[in-house]
Amino acid sequence: KNQVEQSPQSLIILEGKNCTLQCNYTVSPFSNLRWYKQDTGRGPVSLTIMTFSENTKSNGRYTATLDADTKQSSLHITASQLSDSASYICVVSDRGSTLGRLYFGRGTQLTVWP
Amino acid sequence: EADIYQTPRYLVIGTGKKITLECSQTMGHDKMYWYQQDPGMELHLIHYSYGVNSTEKGDLSSESTVSRIRTEHFPLTLESARPSHTSQYLCASSVRVSGANVLTFGAGSRLTVL
Repeated sequence: KNQVEQSPQSLIILEGKNCTLQCNYTVSPFSNLRWYKQDTGRGPVSLTIMTFSENTKSNGRYTATLDADTKQSSLHITASQLSDSASYICVVSDRGSTLGRLYFGRGTQLTVWP
Repeated sequence: EADIYQTPRYLVIGTGKKITLECSQTMGHDKMYWYQQDPGMELHLIHYSYGVNSTEKGDLSSESTVSRIRTEHFPLTLESARPSHTSQYLCASSVRVSGANVLTFGAGSRLTVL
């Protein structure tokens, strides 16, 4: 069964600290993996997208890694800011159809305290 | 700033009412989607469209219907709302970038049925 599991479910850190969010997946055949940021009451916004051949990608203070062999990804946030408080969602796409079916994780709820 | 717009953002209605959630995008994307999201849960695809006059049901069974008469417009309709329809509804459109369908989400419509 194709699944995407994220950990931790929630995380509280102090402003300025770094943190790492985890994503494990069983989706096959794998096409790409995306990380989205979803602010409360808003739609998800894309942070990074990685294909099979990419093992790291950065977007400002966000750095995503991908290990396609172990089917694991992480999102590292450096020097956290209050505006980083949000849900971070891992999404994996398969290659089974033209549409590329998406499998969503439940997200990690990050709270950054001053 | 997202170029996909959803209205209303919030709606509280009584059981049995007919409602239409509007979704419009100005990016000229052919593919559009409707997702349903409950708090702390993953997004579930309920409808999608490849283009004008094309609509398909998604992975999650839904009593809602959609139409795609114009490229930019993808409304979702519930003929008779029930409390079980209470949820957040997210509209998205996509464009293919480097072999991947990159989704842009609207801000969402939060529906509460009393």
